[in-house]
Amino acid sequence: DAGVIQSPRHEVTEMGQEVTLRCKPISGHDYLFWYRQTMMRGLELLIYFNNNVPIDDSGMPEDRFSAKMPNASFSTLKIQPSEPRDSAVYFCASSRVTGTANTEAFFGQGTRLTVV
Amino acid sequence: SQQGEEDPQALSIQEGENATMNCSYKTSINNLQWYRQNSGRGLVHLILIRSNEREKHSGRLRVTLDTSKKSSSLLITASRAADTASYFCATSGNQFYFGTGTSLTVIP
Repeated sequence: DAGVIQSPRHEVTEMGQEVTLRCKPISGHDYLFWYRQTMMRGLELLIYFNNNVPIDDSGMPEDRFSAKMPNASFSTLKIQPSEPRDSAVYFCASSRVTGTANTEAFFGQGTRLTVV
Repeated sequence: SQQGEEDPQALSIQEGENATMNCSYKTSINNLQWYRQNSGRGLVHLILIRSNEREKHSGRLRVTLDTSKKSSSLLITASRAADTASYFCATSGNQFYFGTGTSLTVIP
């Protein structure tokens, strides 16, 4: 398997524009996570899915953020409208439960978003 | 919050020295994991220690776990310049709870 694939790797957009980040998890993994990483706030969990169903979106900062997982092999994170404070690296990760807990998260390479 | 905290936040050592990073967490756990992040890349899983284990080794890595103190340590022996990265601990149930990370710099 090629691992978790994110696109684009880099995105520069103007304030107010819509941004869509994409993620293809590892085949067979039933959990998918979206994280945001900044120097100030570290690694923050935004939302996670289990079997394509959103389980916890309490980390989504505002209504401007939305995430979908239409099938087991694809997820999107959308920001509309984007603001400069959304600038960060966004990571997608996937995993599967072994026994009673998730034991290893597999991360994509991330999307570096810059909103100017 | 179940998020762990690593200590120190930053560590700078000479190549060949050992590097020790500590992690504290807040709740009971099934397991604890350590991850590495190179600059500009995603996190990569290094090692997992289960709650009923006290010590685990993998190559130059040694992890200890003290559930009574809710703490873990990661020791990297004979460090190399290529070990320069950020290191995170994580606990997990359905989701992963990552710590704040230790930035390690190994000076050649």
